[in-house]
Amino acid sequence: DIQMTQSPSSLSASVGDRVTITCRASQGIANYLAWYQQKPGKVPKLLIYAASTLQSGVPSRFSGSGSGTDFTLTISSLQPEDVATYYCQKYNSAPRTFGQGTKVEIK
Amino acid sequence: QVRLVESGGGVVQPGTSLRLSCAASGFTFSSYSMSWVRQAPGKGLEWLSAISYDASAQYYADSVKGRFTISRDNSKSTLFLQMNSLRPEDTAVYYCARGSACGGGTCQKLPFDYWGQGHLVTVSS
Repeated sequence: DIQMTQSPSSLSASVGDRVTITCRASQGIANYLAWYQQKPGKVPKLLIYAASTLQSGVPSRFSGSGSGTDFTLTISSLQPEDVATYYCQKYNSAPRTFGQGTKVEIK
Repeated sequence: QVRLVESGGGVVQPGTSLRLSCAASGFTFSSYSMSWVRQAPGKGLEWLSAISYDASAQYYADSVKGRFTISRDNSKSTLFLQMNSLRPEDTAVYYCARGSACGGGTCQKLPFDYWGQGHLVTVSS
């Protein structure tokens, strides 16, 4: 099975900072990569799909890139409401494995 | 609007069984694959199982293969997860989620755009 590895596992940044999270697949998955945001006690929310397509209603400060095995989620200007754990997920085929998550906090 | 509502969770003893349900509304349930995802306390998301739109195919994570069974009733727009031989490590919030869309004999691979509210299953003696 394809493994999904996220880094870092956690980060702390200041409001307004540019934040980058990476996700690596152990085998190529084309662009079948999604990013989810989960705030404490809440249901995961789809942010980005097809590696770089913003889900409707998601702020434009979020962006995604990559294809094949290496992917990136970027928050261009971190806001207090972005405090959450972010997960990548492959969805080209089962198992639809998630990355282990990246916890984002405000410094 | 799309709604997914789980039910059937609770506190059970190790070795027993439980069936989760996920009632769907607001979309053509029979046109979508569906999945179950869980999250143990303080841990990350774990994909568990998926079922095709027409129930012709089922997929499982190694952690639950042989113990859990996914099924669906398209006439009632409901997804199920039968969980047998439950272990303490199965304690988690269980979510149902909508997946790929199918029609005209083809399927478009889609991420989980809608999730249920989550239902806590606690396995403890």
